[in-house]
Amino acid sequence: DAKTTQPTSMDCAEGRAANLPCNHSTISGNEYVYWYRQIHSQGPQYIIHGLKNNETNEMASLIITEDRKSSTLILPHATLRDTAVYYCIVGGSGGSNYKLTFGKGTLLTVNP
Amino acid sequence: GAVVSQHPSRVICKSGTSVKIECRSLDFQATTMFWYRQFPKQSLMLMATSNEGSKATYEQGVEKDKFLINHASLTLSTLTVTSAHPEDSSFYICSAAPTGTGGYTFGSGTRLTVV
Repeated sequence: DAKTTQPTSMDCAEGRAANLPCNHSTISGNEYVYWYRQIHSQGPQYIIHGLKNNETNEMASLIITEDRKSSTLILPHATLRDTAVYYCIVGGSGGSNYKLTFGKGTLLTVNP
Repeated sequence: GAVVSQHPSRVICKSGTSVKIECRSLDFQATTMFWYRQFPKQSLMLMATSNEGSKATYEQGVEKDKFLINHASLTLSTLTVTSAHPEDSSFYICSAAPTGTGGYTFGSGTRLTVV
């Protein structure tokens, strides 16, 4: 699976949009981009995934560049409860039997 | 939404004993489940892929005789840490996904402390 590069940490003010970048320059044509987050001492939580097109759900938006070498996860109105480690993972085929390889992720801290 | 239940959430055991951790998909069937381990301040590491009705597939460096995985039904996978030692103390997490959804649901994790 392709590797990803994320900033180690980011800060965001409560109520503002949080934009979390991810580089995945070695992504192959059929690999998806997945985002998960892990709040301290809990299991990870699925956020969103996409292949080529931008995606939006109730939690976040995913913007994938046209060359698919990078993406941005957007939390439109960050709250204190969004403080977590966010993982960008590339791989799979959109189905349900792919392995997730977690990197170090980005620790997002939402400040009041 | 899909729910994965993991039990127990915390366990303390004596060195040399075995501990069983259960992972259940509550509202969907899962032919495949995954087991992860997470040490403090580190990321999740995949230990093994649990396949219903067949042997588990272990990642390189994970001892299959120490970490026994059983996936006897479409809704239950168990991880048994045998002859546990203090270095096995960790956060163990399972995951599964309803077919076709693309996103995995994780259990809440089991904090194992071996004393």
